[in-house]
Amino acid sequence: GAGVSQSPSNKVTEKGKDVELRCDPISGHTALYWYRQSLGQGLEFLIYFQGNSAPDKSGLPSDRFSAERTGGSVSTLTIQRTQQEDSAVYLCASSLSGVGDTQYFGPGTRLTVL
Amino acid sequence: QQQVKQSPQSLIVQKGGISIINCAYENTAFDYFPWYQQFPGKGPALLIAIRPDVSEKKEGRFTISFNKSAKQFSLHIMDSQPGDSATYFCAASRTRNQFYFGTGTSLTVIP
Repeated sequence: GAGVSQSPSNKVTEKGKDVELRCDPISGHTALYWYRQSLGQGLEFLIYFQGNSAPDKSGLPSDRFSAERTGGSVSTLTIQRTQQEDSAVYLCASSLSGVGDTQYFGPGTRLTVL
Repeated sequence: QQQVKQSPQSLIVQKGGISIINCAYENTAFDYFPWYQQFPGKGPALLIAIRPDVSEKKEGRFTISFNKSAKQFSLHIMDSQPGDSATYFCAASRTRNQFYFGTGTSLTVIP
């Protein structure tokens, strides 16, 4: 079946602009994760959604970052007033039910802030 | 603060050789240790994972060795192939809803 999809694949924006990144998880997966992958820094956890529970936002680096998950499926990560240090690959992953399940990653969105 | 430390940053191995990547952690509450493989332009994919109640897990050419007392775990790739060339990430988790990743190892297998 279809895997996790993300859009856009690449996004170039100017400093100070807002951006929205989209994630379509695997159908039926209740858990969804957002990570940021910076060069030489590995993957940094941002936020976790599990079903209808309140999301775990403990990894969001600042209040410029927010995420929503509508109808328990599609998720949008929004970065307001982008800064150059926000440039990274943003990865989304989903898993069947969260705890103990394999995470399936999307291909990521490469964000470049000029 | 890096929760999981990974080394080396890059590794070059001859075809047929053994690739070894090491990771260390501090938080003894971690109870799940996966390894991910990532090819350029793709998201990471789970390769193999281990829990701290076993010292070794093998799946095909891939083996995880786990040393609980030393708080270290490593990935061994036997008979390395050019198709194994990728970036490898170790990770650790306690609650399974938050994963801490290493900084990655770029593996190149020379034919």
